[in-house]
Amino acid sequence: GIQVEQSPPDLILQEGANSTLRCNFSDSVNNLQWFHQNPWGQLINLFYIPSGTKQNGRLSATTVATERYSLLYISSSQTTDSGVYFCAAALYGSQGNLIFGKGTKLSVKP
Amino acid sequence: SQTIHQWPATLVQPVGSPLSLECTVEGTSNPNLYWYRQAAGRGLQLLFYSVGIGQISSEVPQNLSASRPQDRQFILSSKKLLLSDSGFYLCAWSTGSLARANEKLFFGSGTQLSVL
Repeated sequence: GIQVEQSPPDLILQEGANSTLRCNFSDSVNNLQWFHQNPWGQLINLFYIPSGTKQNGRLSATTVATERYSLLYISSSQTTDSGVYFCAAALYGSQGNLIFGKGTKLSVKP
Repeated sequence: SQTIHQWPATLVQPVGSPLSLECTVEGTSNPNLYWYRQAAGRGLQLLFYSVGIGQISSEVPQNLSASRPQDRQFILSSKKLLLSDSGFYLCAWSTGSLARANEKLFFGSGTQLSVL
């Protein structure tokens, strides 16, 4: 099955800094999503982005499907950005289950 | 708009006791429903998914079972809990197969289960 790898596993930032999180996947995907899990466990869908670029406020994501990676950019980070960021992917023609990476744990210090 | 409800938020159960976690979705019909488990260490593991009433697919052989008695209700059960069943359980839904374009996955708030 598809492999999804995220880096770095942990990231500590000072408030106001920018960061880039990376997701590599082992096969062609039809579905790729980024999620944020807050410190209370709630998982929020950030982006659906199997290809191309999207932006939502201070967050943006880019997926280069031909090279099998996706990047999540966080600009001007805030303490509320802390948590774990997950990338998840599904293959075209698969049963349609998202395979999750192990996540990047982000800590933003004031 | 669609919402997903999952309860209880926390649960402490002795080893060997039964388990029932419930999840309901509002505002949509015939959703795909999922149960995930997140052990300490962050990874999310798909346990079960359902594409319709009474249709359950199991991803990982284990001490747990799932049922879908109604269109928007998904239940995770165990007859006898093990210590290894401890973890954070998340229910999720999508409108259709996640292999299709534009399908997104939405999560409930989770249940923290501690088996002692």
